Amino acid sequence: EAGVAQSPRYKIIEKRQSVAFWCNPISGHATLYWYQQILGQGPKLLIQFQNNGVVDDSQLPKDRFSAERLKGVDSTLKIQPAKLEDSAVYLCASSWVRGVGEQFFGPGTRLTVL
Amino acid sequence: ILNVEQSPQSLHVQEGDSTNFTCSFPSSNFYALHWYRWETAKSPEALFVMTLNGDEKKKGRISATLNTKEGYSYLYIKGSQPEDSATYLCAPTNTGNQFYFGTGTSLTVIP
Repeated sequence: EAGVAQSPRYKIIEKRQSVAFWCNPISGHATLYWYQQILGQGPKLLIQFQNNGVVDDSQLPKDRFSAERLKGVDSTLKIQPAKLEDSAVYLCASSWVRGVGEQFFGPGTRLTVL
Repeated sequence: ILNVEQSPQSLHVQEGDSTNFTCSFPSSNFYALHWYRWETAKSPEALFVMTLNGDEKKKGRISATLNTKEGYSYLYIKGSQPEDSATYLCAPTNTGNQFYFGTGTSLTVIP
C-alpha cells in the first residue's frame, strides 16, 4: 500500500511570505493530522481532521495558519505570512479511525524561514 | 496537553552495546502508548503500541515495557547496530487518538 505523500520536501522562504504544504494520506484513512516539529522538540499536533471535518485545531495559530481537507482526502496547510519561528518540519499523518491506532507518517516538509 | 519527558536527550554508543531509553508521562487518563523510530530524511516508523499495564513488546533486537500506574515506558535495544541510529519518539494518546510526543532520544551507534 502506498504511504502518506507530502510535497514539497523542502522549502525556503523569506519572512512575511506565504507557503503551502500538501498531503495525500493513505487511501481509506478517515483521520488526518498535521504536526509541527521544531528542532529540539517533539512533534506538536496542529490540526486533526476526521473525514473533512475538523476534530481539534486548538494548537493551530489561526491568525496565520489555515488548513483544509477537500472531500475528505487530500489536505493543504498554509502559512500566511510566515515568521522566523515557523521554521520547522511539518509532518502529515493519517490513520483508519480514532481510538488506538497507528498513525502513518509522511516524510515531512522542512521549512526554513529567513 | 500531556507533559511527556524522554531521557536521555541524546546517546552515543558503540556497535554491539545494549542501551535503553525512558519515556515518562502522566498516568491519569492514559489510553495507549506508541513508540516511533525516526531516521533522518525518512518518515517516522511505528515500532510498538501498548495499552495494558505490564505490556511487553518485542521486535527483533528492540523491546519495550509499559508501566501505566507510575507513568513510564522503557525501550531497549540489544546489540546496537549502526542502522539503529535514529531519533526514538514516544507518544501517549488519549481516547481521541491524539498523540502527545516527547522530545525524543537521539541515538548514534558508532561502528
